[in-house]
Amino acid sequence: GAVVSQHPSWVICKSGTSVKIECRSLDFQATTMFWYRQFPKQSLMLMATSNEGSKATYEQGVEKDKFLINHASLTLSTLTVTSAHPEDSSFYICSARESGTPMNTEAFFGQGTRLTVV
Amino acid sequence: SQQGEEDPQALSIQEGENATMNCSYKTSINNLQWYRQNSGRGLVHLILIRSNEREKHSGRLRVTLDTSKKSSSLLITASRAADTASYFCATGGTGGFKTIFGAGTRLFVKA
Repeated sequence: GAVVSQHPSWVICKSGTSVKIECRSLDFQATTMFWYRQFPKQSLMLMATSNEGSKATYEQGVEKDKFLINHASLTLSTLTVTSAHPEDSSFYICSARESGTPMNTEAFFGQGTRLTVV
Repeated sequence: SQQGEEDPQALSIQEGENATMNCSYKTSINNLQWYRQNSGRGLVHLILIRSNEREKHSGRLRVTLDTSKKSSSLLITASRAADTASYFCATGGTGGFKTIFGAGTRLFVKA
């Protein structure tokens, strides 16, 4: 299957700093990528849909100024957690869908980034 | 969860037994997928079933889909200790490409 690479796999940062997480589709082009957040022992919550060359679409309750998404190319989307606080500590996972594939096909997931804000 | 409930929330069985997990969802779907997640790690895609399919098999996995009841089940036969993980159903909607996850079932298989 197609490979989605997420970097870094884990990061520890100080409160008030910003952290950037990258999501790359390695062997396919992805017009659309998705960002999820998962708290311990909970499910994955969709945060936003990242569209190449246009603004991201955020789910209700997700602060777009806090979670900046940039999808500047067909193989890369970035999520920047700005002014991070301890409550932002979570597992962040991206997924990518190959451009042109029909809706009834799977999206491919990265391995996740564990963010710890101290 | 954003989409629906999974039942049971947690399941503990002996190795060799079958495990059944159920998932209900709220909206119309194009497809439904099941994923496994080992503690603190990424997702492993198990199986995708399309909205016009009723049952699908893959190795020891059997998935059913009932769109009239907006529900799906995942059966793992002859479970192994290595099957211990969280299992999530996820739906692909008819309105776009988003994949929305259910609440998940934590499966523990005792050796």
